[in-house]
Amino acid sequence: AAGVIQSPRHLIKEKRETATLKCYPIPRHDTVYWYQQGPGQDPQFLISFYEKMQSDKGSIPDRFSAQQFSDYHSELNMSSLELGDSALYFCASRRRAGTTDTGELFFGEGSRLTVL
Amino acid sequence: LAKTTQPISMDSYEGQEVNITCSHNNIATNDYITWYQQFPSQGPRFIIQGYKTKVTNEVASLFIPADRKSSTLSLPRVSLSDTAVYYCLPDTGTASKLTFGTGTRLQVTL
Repeated sequence: AAGVIQSPRHLIKEKRETATLKCYPIPRHDTVYWYQQGPGQDPQFLISFYEKMQSDKGSIPDRFSAQQFSDYHSELNMSSLELGDSALYFCASRRRAGTTDTGELFFGEGSRLTVL
Repeated sequence: LAKTTQPISMDSYEGQEVNITCSHNNIATNDYITWYQQFPSQGPRFIIQGYKTKVTNEVASLFIPADRKSSTLSLPRVSLSDTAVYYCLPDTGTASKLTFGTGTRLQVTL
């Protein structure tokens, strides 16, 4: 079965550079979530999209932006990178709960960003 | 949003039953309780979901009392491969903001 695809899997950047992470949700999933997870930390909610529209924001820095495109893939753009941005970034998707769906989240394998 | 409280860590021997309790005193009427498992450097994975009473699937059971202010994930006969972090997550199934609390780090040893 198709899973959530994230790219790149690993990314190394210098401070003050820009990075873009991509997420391809499972087909027919209408909601995408982005999470940041630092070493030894719990996943922190960044932002979500429903049907290509931003639906909620969490602790996302102003230096970060995200969008969802017409083909439902999403991109997380991070500018002026700081050392503290080094983390695993997960994308998750789901089809909103209905009569046949539990609404469970499906996570990608993550993109590991290292800022030097 | 319902705030959750779980033990930070638990230890178990292989073959034992493990029960992880999550407290969610201000859970909303339309929230389900969902549990996720996360291995190092992997995304969380759905384990089980319930609303009230008991739910069982092939990997776990979930007990939710009538007042729904807590829930207990039960893992029967754990193995080394169950070593992971476990999160409980109140969720309506349509929520646009899903906040993971501090999960429980389960360590299984021989």
